[in-house]
Amino acid sequence: DVKVTQSSRYLVKRTGEKVFLECVQDMDHENMFWYRQDPGLGLRLIYFSYDVKMKEKGDIPEGYSVSREKKERFSLILESASTNQTSMYLCASRSPQGSAFFGQGTRLTVV
Amino acid sequence: RKEVEQDPGPFNVPEGATVAFNCTYSNSASQSFFWYRQDCRKEPKLLMSVYSSGNEDGRFTAQLNRASQYISLLIRDSKLSDSATYLCVVIPNQAGTALIFGKGTTLSVSS
Repeated sequence: DVKVTQSSRYLVKRTGEKVFLECVQDMDHENMFWYRQDPGLGLRLIYFSYDVKMKEKGDIPEGYSVSREKKERFSLILESASTNQTSMYLCASRSPQGSAFFGQGTRLTVV
Repeated sequence: RKEVEQDPGPFNVPEGATVAFNCTYSNSASQSFFWYRQDCRKEPKLLMSVYSSGNEDGRFTAQLNRASQYISLLIRDSKLSDSATYLCVVIPNQAGTALIFGKGTTLSVSS
């Protein structure tokens, strides 16, 4: 069965901290994505990666960076967390046929 | 015009009703289309792909109208368990690009 796993369901971090969100998929997919979801704004793309060490900015990359050192792992980094980065973060992995599978989400609160 | 637009609803229907959602997209070259379902505080899950010829899965029917650039989802004989947010997803072109999400349509089915 398809599996995308995010390292944490809930996180509370302080303003200014460096935050790492990890995502692992077991489907050997080339494409992986990070979205954030906020009420009324829907899912917004932060970054995506179409291969190891390759990355593309999405719609809202400011304040974030990513790392893809291995095919199965895609990490999202908040360089210096701010309160406006409080959100639900969703990682996804995409099959060759196009449909995406999501991790369970990380609800991040920055205080 | 936004890339993918959906009526946010909510659509409030009684059990057994038939309900339909539409989703419009702006990029006429878009290649692939999907409907996802998202329950409250959970990750989106693939409901069904949308094929050019239309497709059906039990009580759910999805259709694509390329000329008018919209996709639709029809739910027949609504169940309480169908209450969720339904997300329209469009892939603009080939593999290696991100999925574009609509903001979702909320359905509430009552007894």
